[in-house]
Amino acid sequence: DGGITQSPKYLFRKEGQNVTLSCEQNLNHDAMYWYRQDPGQGLRLIYYSQIVNDFQKGDIAEGYSVSREKKESFPLTVTSAQKNPTAFYLCASRKGLAGVYEQYFGPGTRLTVT
Amino acid sequence: AQTVTQSQPEMSVQEAETVTLSCTYDTSESDYYLFWYKQPPSRQMILVIRQEAYKQQNATENRFSVNFQKAAKSFSLKISDSQLGDAAMYFCAYRRYETSGSRLTFGEGTQLTVNP
Repeated sequence: DGGITQSPKYLFRKEGQNVTLSCEQNLNHDAMYWYRQDPGQGLRLIYYSQIVNDFQKGDIAEGYSVSREKKESFPLTVTSAQKNPTAFYLCASRKGLAGVYEQYFGPGTRLTVT
Repeated sequence: AQTVTQSQPEMSVQEAETVTLSCTYDTSESDYYLFWYKQPPSRQMILVIRQEAYKQQNATENRFSVNFQKAAKSFSLKISDSQLGDAAMYFCAYRRYETSGSRLTFGEGTQLTVNP
């Protein structure tokens, strides 16, 4: 089955540690996205990538980093510089760069930093 | 910058009845796309319906339909014959038409409760 996988579903880390969230898609989609969701809020864009080896900052990129070495993979690193990293993180992908294609979402990773 | 506003944080509806969720957006563009996504308790985001701004006809998908008012920059979602499985957070989203930066801007969501 084609889709987007995010692992793990729940992740726990100590404050001051970097942590990398995995996102893999086998849909052959060009664009990939990372969102953060906090309680009672909508999704906020962290980073996105339209092609391999290229990515752009979203609205809340500070304290995060990404890479896009392969078309199917777009890992997100939450660094110790992120002041409030506890949140639900969603990865998405989209076919093509134009047109009415929607974004497909992964199941998400709940990150808790204590 | 584009903004999307959902003015109803919470809504409730009786099973089998109809409910309308509101969404307004702010843009200076003439061509764009609008979407409604559903997020049930599993937190999986699911596309409900989409609308291309250049199309005057309102989109429909089974029990879901939209009322797209371009001049008013309004994009409401109507759910007919509500079912218990419709209970979820609903997000309205906007995307520009251009190829570069095909990013979505989301509203803050409306939590829909369906009462049996």
